[in-house]
Amino acid sequence: QKEVEQNSGPLSVPEGAIASLNCTYSDRGSQSFFWYRQYSGKSPELIMFIYSNGDKEDGRFTAQLNKASQYVSLLIRDSQPSDSATYLCAVNRRVTGGGNKLTFGTGTQLKVEL
Amino acid sequence: EPEVTQTPSHQVTQMGQEVILRCVPISNHLYFYWYRQILGQKVEFLVSFYNNEISEKSEIFDDQFSVERPDGSNFTLKIRSTKLEDSAMYFCASRPGQGPLHFGNGTRLTVT
Repeated sequence: QKEVEQNSGPLSVPEGAIASLNCTYSDRGSQSFFWYRQYSGKSPELIMFIYSNGDKEDGRFTAQLNKASQYVSLLIRDSQPSDSATYLCAVNRRVTGGGNKLTFGTGTQLKVEL
Repeated sequence: EPEVTQTPSHQVTQMGQEVILRCVPISNHLYFYWYRQILGQKVEFLVSFYNNEISEKSEIFDDQFSVERPDGSNFTLKIRSTKLEDSAMYFCASRPGQGPLHFGNGTRLTVT
C-alpha cells in the first residue's frame, strides 16, 4: 500500500463549481497534513494544512481530515481557471533522530474549464 | 517574506561528473530537506537533516549522494558520479518545526 494515495486525474470541473480532491494515507502515526499546489515546472506552494479532525476553512479552500478513516480532502469553492494545477497531498510523521518526514502523494491534476 | 533560495536554477553535467546543488534555507528553520521530481512524476523524498545530521533518507539516497551544512547557512546536496536517471528537478525545503515545508524554486539537473 502506498504511503499517500491520490487519484491522478485529470479532474475537470466547470468554472464556478466546487472541486473535491481526495487523499488517503497508510500510517496511523501521521500527525499533520498538507495540501500543496504545483504549477508545471514550478515548486510546490502551500495552500493549507490541518492537524485535527474536522474541517478547516481558508477563503475558497476547505481542508477536511478524518484520522479514523485515514482520509484528508481539499474542497475548492468557486473554482477559477487559475486553480488549474496539480494538487499534492502531503503527510507528516516523526522519524527517529528527532526529525520529521513529509511524504507526498502523486498529485491530482485539476482542470477548471471556462 | 523570507524564502528558501536555490542555486543554480539549471545545471547541465555529463554522466559520471560530480555536481553540488546549493540551498540557503530560511534562517530560523531547524529542519532541512531535499526532494526530487523526475519530469511528470511525483515529488520524492531524498533526505532530511536535523541537528547537523541526517535524520532519515530514502532508498534513492544511496552512497552517491551526500548532504552538508558547512557554515550554518548553506545546505548542499552532492551527487558524486551522476547518472542519466539523476536528471530531475531537485527541491530544497526547510521548516521551523512540524509546520509546513517551505520550498525553494528548485534546480533542474540535466545529465547528458
